[in-house]
Amino acid sequence: RKEVEQDPGPFNVPEGATVAFNCTYSNSASQSFFWYRQDCRKEPKLLMSVYSSGNEDGRFTAQLNRASQYISLLIRDSKLSDSATYLCVVNIWGQNFVFGPGTRLSVLP
Amino acid sequence: DAGVIQSPRHEVTEMGQEVTLRCKPISGHDYLFWYRQTMMRGLELLIYFNNNVPIDDSGMPEDRFSAKMPNASFSTLKIQPSEPRDSAVYFCASRTDRGGTEAFFGQGTRLTVV
Repeated sequence: RKEVEQDPGPFNVPEGATVAFNCTYSNSASQSFFWYRQDCRKEPKLLMSVYSSGNEDGRFTAQLNRASQYISLLIRDSKLSDSATYLCVVNIWGQNFVFGPGTRLSVLP
Repeated sequence: DAGVIQSPRHEVTEMGQEVTLRCKPISGHDYLFWYRQTMMRGLELLIYFNNNVPIDDSGMPEDRFSAKMPNASFSTLKIQPSEPRDSAVYFCASRTDRGGTEAFFGQGTRLTVV
C-alpha cells in the first residue's frame, strides 16, 4: 500500500462547480498535513496547511480526520485558474515529506 | 529571499555523460530535499539532508546517483553515468526546522538524456 493515496482523477468540472478531493495516508505517526498545487511544468507550491480542526481559506476548505487517516480538500465556485494538479502531502516532523500521486483538475468554461 | 534556486533549468545530455544539478536552499532552512518527478512515478524523494548531513538516501536509485551538501547554502546531485531512464524533472526543496512548516520548492531542472 502506498503511503499516501489520492483520487485517481482527472476531474473535469464546469466553472462554478464544487469539487472535492480525497486523500488517505498509512502512517499513523504523521503529524503535519498539506495540500500543494502544481501547475503544468511548474514546481509544487503550498496551497494550504491542514489543521486538526479543519480550516478554510476563501473558496478552499481542508479537513483532517486522524482516526480515519483521511484528508480532504473542497473547492467551491471553481474558476478556470483552479485547473492544476492537487497534491496531498504528509510529514512526520524531522522526516521526509511524502507526496501523494496528485489529482488533476480541469475547470471547463 | 529569492527562494530555492536550482540550476540549470534545462539539461540535455548524451547517455553516459556526467550530469550535475545544483541547488541553493532558502537561507536559514535546515532541511534540503531532492525529488524526482516523472509521469509514471510522480514525485519521489531521492535524498534529504538536515544541517548538511544526509539523513535518508534510500530513494537514490542506484550507485550512479550521488548527492552532497558541503555547506548550508549549496547542494549538488550528480548522475554518472547518465541513462535515458534518468530523464525527469528534478526538484530541490528546503524547509526550516520548526515542526509543521511547509517545504518550498525550486523551479526544477528538466533533464533529458538522449
